[in-house]
Amino acid sequence: ELKVEQNPLFLSMQEGKNYTIYCNYSTTSDRLYWYRQDPGKSLESLFVLLSNGAVKQEGRLMASLDTKARLSTLHITAAVHDLSATYFCAVFNFGNEKLTFGTGTRLTIIP
Amino acid sequence: GAGVSQSPSNKVTEKGKDVELRCDPISGHTALYWYRQRLGQGLEFLIYFQGNSAPDKSGLPSDRFSAERTGESVSTLTIQRTQQEDSAVYLCASSLEIAGVYEQYFGPGTRLTVT
Repeated sequence: ELKVEQNPLFLSMQEGKNYTIYCNYSTTSDRLYWYRQDPGKSLESLFVLLSNGAVKQEGRLMASLDTKARLSTLHITAAVHDLSATYFCAVFNFGNEKLTFGTGTRLTIIP
Repeated sequence: GAGVSQSPSNKVTEKGKDVELRCDPISGHTALYWYRQRLGQGLEFLIYFQGNSAPDKSGLPSDRFSAERTGESVSTLTIQRTQQEDSAVYLCASSLEIAGVYEQYFGPGTRLTVT
């Protein structure tokens, strides 16, 4: 059974700082997704990572994938308040065509 | 174009009643998923439809839960004899495989409260 773990679960950081969220998964996959969820809202797709070594960047967020280590990271550079949200990684299982979601990281940016 | 829509957006029901939740996927998306998200938790897979194949019901928590999909369009999730632990946001997502990418697009969810 595919398991996906994120850490930290909660992250409170000051504006302007850098930090990284980690997503570890238990079985082979080369399809990893990052989503953002604002309070009371649905999930918004941020990144789709399709191969080992893939790196994607959008604004202050950068995501990477290491399929050999079964690890993806979401790096936040010079955080700003509007990045406050919960971030989920999700791993695609080709065997059953399902996404398995991590537990989420609730990020709070403090002015 | 139109995204995934769900109705109702909020539903309050009494324990023991049946509820039906509706999902309208993006037109042309062959795959449709239902998830449950309890307060402060991650997403819990419930059921998956792909084209005309038999649905994957492996995530349904009990036989009180069922879902149907008409062709590649609307889906309804039915919860019979609701219990308080059914209170959650129910999210629907649709996807289309393009070049090996199965990106899921989520609807706004239905917030179900069982009193």
